[in-house]
Amino acid sequence: AQRVTQPEKLLSVFKGAPVELKCNYSYSGSPELFWYVQYSRQRLQLLLRHISRESIKGFTADLNKGETSFHLKKPFAQEEDSAMYYCALRPNAGGTSYGKLTFGQGTILTVHP
Amino acid sequence: DTGVSQDPRHKITKRGQNVTFRCDPISEHNRLYWYRQTLGQGPEFLTYFQNEAQLEKSRLLSDRFSAERPKGSFSTLEIQRTEQGDSAMYLCASSFGQGVIKNIQYFGAGTRLSVL
Repeated sequence: AQRVTQPEKLLSVFKGAPVELKCNYSYSGSPELFWYVQYSRQRLQLLLRHISRESIKGFTADLNKGETSFHLKKPFAQEEDSAMYYCALRPNAGGTSYGKLTFGQGTILTVHP
Repeated sequence: DTGVSQDPRHKITKRGQNVTFRCDPISEHNRLYWYRQTLGQGPEFLTYFQNEAQLEKSRLLSDRFSAERPKGSFSTLEIQRTEQGDSAMYLCASSFGQGVIKNIQYFGAGTRLSVL
C-alpha cells in the first residue's frame, strides 16, 4: 500500500521569503510523484510532476528516493502562491493500480505581504 | 468550458434519501475516477472506469454506493440511504491512458454533499 505524508497542515511566510512544503511517501515500488494546487474557489489542478523535471510558477520539486521525499520549493514566495497544496503519488509501473492517485492531507500556504 | 464538469455543485439532502451525481469528463478521455474529500483531508480514491468498464473499487465504497459509466462518456455516482458520514466533496477526474501509459488527471470542481 502507498502512503503520502505532508507533515505541515499550515505554513506561513512573508513575500519574498523562500518556501518549502514537505512531502514524504512510502511505496515499495517505483512511484510517480505530483504536486497539485487548489487556489481559493478554484478546482484542483496539477502544478508539477517529477518526471517532467520542470519549474512551474517558480516552483521545483526533486524526487529523493533515498529519503522517500518530494519536497516543493520556491526561492521567493509571492502573495499569489497562497493556496492549498497536495502531494500525490501513483505507481509508475503497470499492474492493477490503474493510475489512481494517493494524496497527502495537504498544506495551506499563506504568503503575507 | 472544456474541462471536467460535475453536476450539481451542491446537494443538501436528508438522511436516508438517495442522491445521484453526474460527471462529464474531457471528451477524448477514456479513464474516469471518483474521489471523495472530507474536511481537512486530501482526496481519497473511490472508483475507476476505463471506458464503460468499472475496473477498481475502493473499500471506502460501501454497498450503498454505485457508479456507472454506461457509454464510456459521462458517469454517475449514486448514494442510497445517505448517512451523515457521507457528507463530503465528491470529485471526478479524467485522463487519457493506454496500457501502462497514465497521463495527467484533470479534476472537476466537485459536488459538495451535505446530509442533514
